[in-house]
Amino acid sequence: QLQLQESGPGLVKPSETLSLTCAVSGGSISSINYYWAWIRQPPGKGPEWIGTIYYTGNTYYNPSLRGRVTMSVDTSKSHFSLNLRSVTAADTARYYCARGAKVEWLVSSAWFDPWGQGTLVTVSS
Amino acid sequence: EIVLTQSPGTLSLSPGERAILSCRASQSVRSSYLAWYQQKPGQAPRLLIYDASSRATGIPDRFSGSGSGTDFTLTISRLEPEDFAVYYCQQYGRSPRTFGQGTTVEIK
Repeated sequence: QLQLQESGPGLVKPSETLSLTCAVSGGSISSINYYWAWIRQPPGKGPEWIGTIYYTGNTYYNPSLRGRVTMSVDTSKSHFSLNLRSVTAADTARYYCARGAKVEWLVSSAWFDPWGQGTLVTVSS
Repeated sequence: EIVLTQSPGTLSLSPGERAILSCRASQSVRSSYLAWYQQKPGQAPRLLIYDASSRATGIPDRFSGSGSGTDFTLTISRLEPEDFAVYYCQQYGRSPRTFGQGTTVEIK
């Protein structure tokens, strides 16, 4: 059974970089059938897609994050990572990693299943 | 960006009743590329439905999805105690992928 586990600091100062890693176990991160995604959810709000990466390193980002996002994948360690630069209080959220379904003719991930348990990141000085 | 508007915001029902949740898109969702998720307090969202009407693995058949174009519906035929939760829709027909703001199904 595939499991995903997020890790990283729970507190980040404004203007600094938020860095998270997602460890994938119980399945291959190099599967040609799936993407890997980061999704965040501010307290009391709906989820927001941050971006998606394929095992080859191809990335797809949400334009709303205005070039602050970088995702990477390390297949040898079976994990993928998120860097979000120049954070503000608006970036405070629970951050989830998830597996994204790969659908023929569709660029980037479709639905997300399963999700990690999430990690709460607070941006505050 | 496709904006998804879910209604109602809160649905107050009793166990055994039918729940009908709506998700309306600001523009047509290509190929009915729409999913539904359930989220309970302190948990990650769980996939229920994909491609508008296909149940995910292990999802009971009391959950069903329908719709196309801009109007989609999630129906829970008979609410069980464990179904009281928040439900989100998500479209993947266009980038960026977007989610609705959620419908809370609460015990009346």
